[in-house]
Amino acid sequence: DAGVIQSPRHEVTEMGQEVTLRCKPISGHDYLFWYRQTMMRGLELLIYFNNNVPIDDSGMPEDRFSAKMPNASFSTLKIQPSEPRDSAVYFCAIGQGTGELFFGEGSRLTVL
Amino acid sequence: GENVEQHPSTLSVQEGDSAVIKCTYSDSASNYFPWYKQELGKGPQLIIDIRSNVGEKKDQRIAVTLNKTAKHFSLHITETQPEDSAVYFCAAGQGNKLVFGAGTILRVKS
Repeated sequence: DAGVIQSPRHEVTEMGQEVTLRCKPISGHDYLFWYRQTMMRGLELLIYFNNNVPIDDSGMPEDRFSAKMPNASFSTLKIQPSEPRDSAVYFCAIGQGTGELFFGEGSRLTVL
Repeated sequence: GENVEQHPSTLSVQEGDSAVIKCTYSDSASNYFPWYKQELGKGPQLIIDIRSNVGEKKDQRIAVTLNKTAKHFSLHITETQPEDSAVYFCAAGQGNKLVFGAGTILRVKS
C-alpha cells in the first residue's frame, strides 16, 4: 500500500448524502483502479483508468456512482445520493496493467 | 464472464504445518493468476502470481501450481507461522480485468 494514499479512512454518512472518496497515487503507474469490498460480493472492480482516461466502467453499479481522474496524482469516486447498500470498503489500486496491483488501505464507508 | 471459486473459506493449521488453498476458474482465456494477502485494516498485497505458460512457481515458503486443463490453481504455504494469519484471495483474468475469489481466512495456531 506504499504507492497509494486514500482518504478518508472512515466515513459515516446518512442516506441521501453525497460521498466523495479520494485517491492519491504516490508512485508513477499508468493504471488506476477502484474496487469495492463487501462480505457478500467480495472484491469487485468498479472502474479503471489508463493515463487518466476511463477505460472500463462496466463495474460501476449505478448512475449514482461516478469517478474522475483529473491528473496522474489524483482520483475521486463519488456517490450521490448514497444508500445503505453502498456501505463497503472502497479500495484504490495502481498498476502497470498486466501484473501486480498496489492497493491503498481503503476507505470504509457506512451509510445509515 | 470469469467466475472464480475459492476453497476453503476458513482454514486453521498448527504452526509449522502446511496450508493449501484451492481455486477454480471458468474462463479458459484467463492467463494471469495472482494471490493476495490481506491483513486486518489493510489493502490486499500480492504475495505470488503465475502466468498460464508456467505450471508451478515457488518463492521461499510459498508456492503456486496451475492446471490449465482442469482450470484450477492452488496456493501452498509450508512451515506456517503466526504472521501468516490473514485473508488470502486468489484471482484470475487477463490484462486488467481480474476476478477475485471470495477469500480464505487462514489462522495459524501457535
